[in-house]
Order: sequence, then structure tokens, then C-alpha cells
Amino acid sequence: GEDVEQSLFLSVREGDSSVINCTYTDSSSTYLYWYKQEPGAGLQLLTYIFSNMDMKQDQRLTVLLNKKDKHLSLRIADTQTGDSAIYFCAERPYAGGTSYGKLTFGQGTILTVHP
Amino acid sequence: GAVVSQHPSRVICKSGTSVKIECRSLDFQATTMFWYRQFPKQSLMLMATSNEGSKATYEQGVEKDKFLINHASLTLSTLTVTSAHPEDSSFYICSARDRFRTEAFFGQGTRLTVV
Repeated sequence: GEDVEQSLFLSVREGDSSVINCTYTDSSSTYLYWYKQEPGAGLQLLTYIFSNMDMKQDQRLTVLLNKKDKHLSLRIADTQTGDSAIYFCAERPYAGGTSYGKLTFGQGTILTVHP
Repeated sequence: GAVVSQHPSRVICKSGTSVKIECRSLDFQATTMFWYRQFPKQSLMLMATSNEGSKATYEQGVEKDKFLINHASLTLSTLTVTSAHPEDSSFYICSARDRFRTEAFFGQGTRLTVV
């Protein structure tokens, strides 16, 4: 089955860039997502990319995809203390079926931003 | 945007009782809803997928008689934890998607504590 792996912890200083990494194993066409979870809250969709894309940028967020290595990264520019949260990488197969939309999540990366 | 509302956000119940958690899509028709369980500092584990008007599809290892899922309308799915025990204490999160979008949107989550 699909597997998604992430680094567990990242600590950065306020104003620096954060890079959160993720690898996945699904070899079929797939959507790849980044979600943010603050303590005690649900998941907020930050951005997503289709597996035939190399890069997607949305304000402070840049997603880079290395299809050959199945490596995905999320870069947060000018990281702020409010960015401290758990970030989940997730993948979803493009193909349909009764489980259409089913996500496989990584373990989550705890981002801590120091003043 | 697409809003998913989950209720209640927190619930404490006695061991042996049943608890119902609601997941509503407020501004779109949720043809598919997903129920996840999250343990502290861990990733989300998919429990089941429900398509409107059909029986839920449970993941391996999830007891369908203990976690009853109903998806009777395009805007509401419910998860009932029957005969709850302390080991059922967890954070339960739903997500919903319609047939037109690639992404699923998450509810705020429900913190269940069984005492």
C-alpha cells in the first residue's frame, strides 16, 4: 500500500525559512497535500500539487516535487511564531473508486518557531 | 470556501455509554466523508469511508459494530462510538469532499474522553 514518511521535528528562528520534507511511495498519478494542524484543532489545507508538476507557489509557501525520488517539500518563507504547528504531508491516488478522496498521511512534522 | 463543521468539539462520557459525533458540510454536498482517529503526537488513521446512501467501508482492524457510521444525507455523517471504553479516548476528525473538487475539507475534530 501507499506509504508517506516525514521528518518528525523542525525548529527555526522567526524570520528564517522552514523546509519540511516528505517522501511517498505511490507510483501512480497522485495528488500531494500539505495540511497544518494547530493544537486541539482540525486540519487546515495549505496547498496541494499534482504529481506531474514540479513546483507550486502560493504567497509564503513553495511546494517542490522531485518525481524521480518521490520527494516533496514545503518551504515557508519568513516563518512566524504563528506558523508553529504540526504539518502533515498526505497523498491521494488520482484514480477513482469507492475510496475516492482517501488520504494517506505522513506522521506529521512538529514545527517550532523561536522568537 | 468549503466548510465542514464537526460537533461536539469535546465530549466526556462514562464507560459503557454511547457517543454520537456529527460531521456536516455547510456549503457543499459531501458525496464522500471520511472518519479519522488521531492519537496524541501521532498521525491520522483512517477509520472508514462513507458514500452518501451507502454502507460505510471500514479499514482493516476497525470494528464496524463499535464505530457506527451513518451518511444518510449529502450534508451529514455521524459516527457513533458504542459502549465506549477508556481506550476509545482519542481525537476523532471527519473530512468531506464533493464530486467536483480534488481536495477534502476537515472538521475541527472531537476530543472524546471516556472515564
